[in-house]
Amino acid sequence: DGGITQSPKYLFRKEGQNVTLSCEQNLNHDAMYWYRQDPGQGLRLIYYSQIVNDFQKGDIAEGYSVSREKKESFPLTVTSAQKNPTAFYLCASSTSYNSPLHFGNGTRLTVT
Amino acid sequence: GQQVMQIPQYQHVQEGEDFTTYCNSSTTLSNIQWYKQRPGGHPVFLIQLVKSGEVKKQKRLTFQFGEAKKNSSLHITATQTTDVGTYFCAAYSGGGADGLTFGKGTHLIIQP
Repeated sequence: DGGITQSPKYLFRKEGQNVTLSCEQNLNHDAMYWYRQDPGQGLRLIYYSQIVNDFQKGDIAEGYSVSREKKESFPLTVTSAQKNPTAFYLCASSTSYNSPLHFGNGTRLTVT
Repeated sequence: GQQVMQIPQYQHVQEGEDFTTYCNSSTTLSNIQWYKQRPGGHPVFLIQLVKSGEVKKQKRLTFQFGEAKKNSSLHITATQTTDVGTYFCAAYSGGGADGLTFGKGTHLIIQP
């Protein structure tokens, strides 16, 4: 079955360390997205990519970085510059820009 | 990015009562999408509305897109315990490439 895989489900890091969250899709989707969700809050867009080797900043890109070297993969790095990294991170993909999103199961990152 | 305001933030209903959540934008939307997120889960796409004044139904769920394409609503008739979760609207701006922006969601709590 096709889908989006995020790993790991739970991630714990010490403050000051960079951490990379994995996102892989086998849906052959062109567009991929990273969102952050805080308790009781909506989803805020971090970065998105409409095509391989191209990506754009979302509303809260500071302290994050991404790459899109392959169509299937869109890893997100949470850097030490991100002041409040503890959150639920959701990766999504869509056939194209303006199409409905398919979400992965998310990664819960805790930084202490 | 595109701003979408969603109300109410929380809604408590008795099982069997109806429920409505509203989404509003100050600018014209190219389309609007609705998602449902169960507690502890990830958002799941429900529907996309594109045309001015469009109304779509999915069993007990009715989705509307305003004539000016600046507002939308989701109405659930006779709620059931399986309807529990957070309902999000999401939209792309009309001509830009800002990614999909989500409202903050309406948390539906059902009392049996």
